[in-house]
Amino acid sequence: KAGVTQTPRYLIKTRGQQVTLSCSPISGHRSVSWYQQTPGQGLQFLFEYFSETQRNKGNFPGRFSGRQFSNSRSEMNVSTLELGDSALYLCASSGGPAAAFFGQGTRLTVV
Amino acid sequence: AQTVTQSQPEMSVQEAETVTLSCTYDTSESDYYLFWYKQPPSRQMILVIRQEAYKQQNATENRFSVNFQKAAKSFSLKISDSQLGDAAMYFCAYGTIYGGATNKLIFGTGTLLAVQP
Repeated sequence: KAGVTQTPRYLIKTRGQQVTLSCSPISGHRSVSWYQQTPGQGLQFLFEYFSETQRNKGNFPGRFSGRQFSNSRSEMNVSTLELGDSALYLCASSGGPAAAFFGQGTRLTVV
Repeated sequence: AQTVTQSQPEMSVQEAETVTLSCTYDTSESDYYLFWYKQPPSRQMILVIRQEAYKQQNATENRFSVNFQKAAKSFSLKISDSQLGDAAMYFCAYGTIYGGATNKLIFGTGTLLAVQP
């Protein structure tokens, strides 16, 4: 089985712009969750989607949003980028309770 | 709210020796999973081992094993016969289960493991 695929791997954006990150889960997995990793805050949960429905959301401002398509692929959008949004964004796919498998992440740099 | 604490920011071990990484957590739930993930410099978060809260038997995966103490809310990782490739950041994570999937992970702050040749 192919693993979790995140695109793009690297991204540089300017403050005020918006960005969309993509995540393709493992085939058959219906749950996709997103995490932000920064040196200061560590790994923080953004949100989780299951069968196109957001089931859980972390404590992030409304500028962070996401969606999931019928093929389980998910996108995460950040609008009005701030310098503090620079981070590694990780996507995880889950097909059951026993594990979540991660992609390689997207490194977002806001300048 | 659930929390995960890793009190060892850095650890070092000699190649072929054994090392134990500590993790404690707090929850009022009865059904959950606990995980150890490894993140090497390549950034990929790799699942090392998992433990279901209902199972009393400690999980083992080759050289990796856990000591799960549910009452004490402790979940330590033991790495035996350490190898150079084990050098990485190790994260302990608590997984909430909803609708048959691990829908949210709460991570500790990580332990950076160095392996000395």
